[in-house]
Amino acid sequence: DAKTTQPPSMDCAEGRAANLPCNHSTISGNEYVYWYRQIHSQGPQYIIHGLKNNETNEMASLIITEDRKSSTLILPHATLRDTAVYYCIVRVAGTGNQFYFGTGTSLTVIP
Amino acid sequence: GAVVSQHPSRVICKSGTSVKIECRSLDFQATTMFWYRQFPKQSLMLMATSNEGSKATYEQGVEKDKFLINHASLTLSTLTVTSAHPEDSSFYICSAWQDYGYTFGSGTRLTVV
Repeated sequence: DAKTTQPPSMDCAEGRAANLPCNHSTISGNEYVYWYRQIHSQGPQYIIHGLKNNETNEMASLIITEDRKSSTLILPHATLRDTAVYYCIVRVAGTGNQFYFGTGTSLTVIP
Repeated sequence: GAVVSQHPSRVICKSGTSVKIECRSLDFQATTMFWYRQFPKQSLMLMATSNEGSKATYEQGVEKDKFLINHASLTLSTLTVTSAHPEDSSFYICSAWQDYGYTFGSGTRLTVV
């Protein structure tokens, strides 16, 4: 699986957009970009995933660069409950394929 | 959405005893489940892949005789920490693939005293 690089920590003001970057320069053509978050002492929660195109759901938007070497997770209106560690993971889709977590970005939403 | 139930959520055991953690997929079948361990302020570390009806595969450096995994049905995988020691104290999390991504259990906090 491709390795990802994320900033260790970020702050965001409540109500503002949180933009979390991820570098995955060695991603291969059949690998998806997944984003998960982990709130303290809970299991990780799925946020969004994508292959090439930008994606949006009720939680967030995922912007993937044209060369697929990096992506940005956007939380449009951050709330205090969005304070968590956010993980960017790249892997081939499908059951049976291992999911390896990097160090993630610790996002703190400030009132 | 898909739910993975993990039990117990918290357990304290004495050094030298064994502890079993259960992971159930509640509304879907999971031929493969994964077990992770997480130490304080660290990321999740994949320990092993649990395969229904066959032996688990362990990541490098994980002792298979210490962390026994059984995946006897399509909805249940168990992790048994044998002869637990204080250094095994950690947060253990299971997951299973569902449609488009992995669903994770809520985790088990193991404290060995």
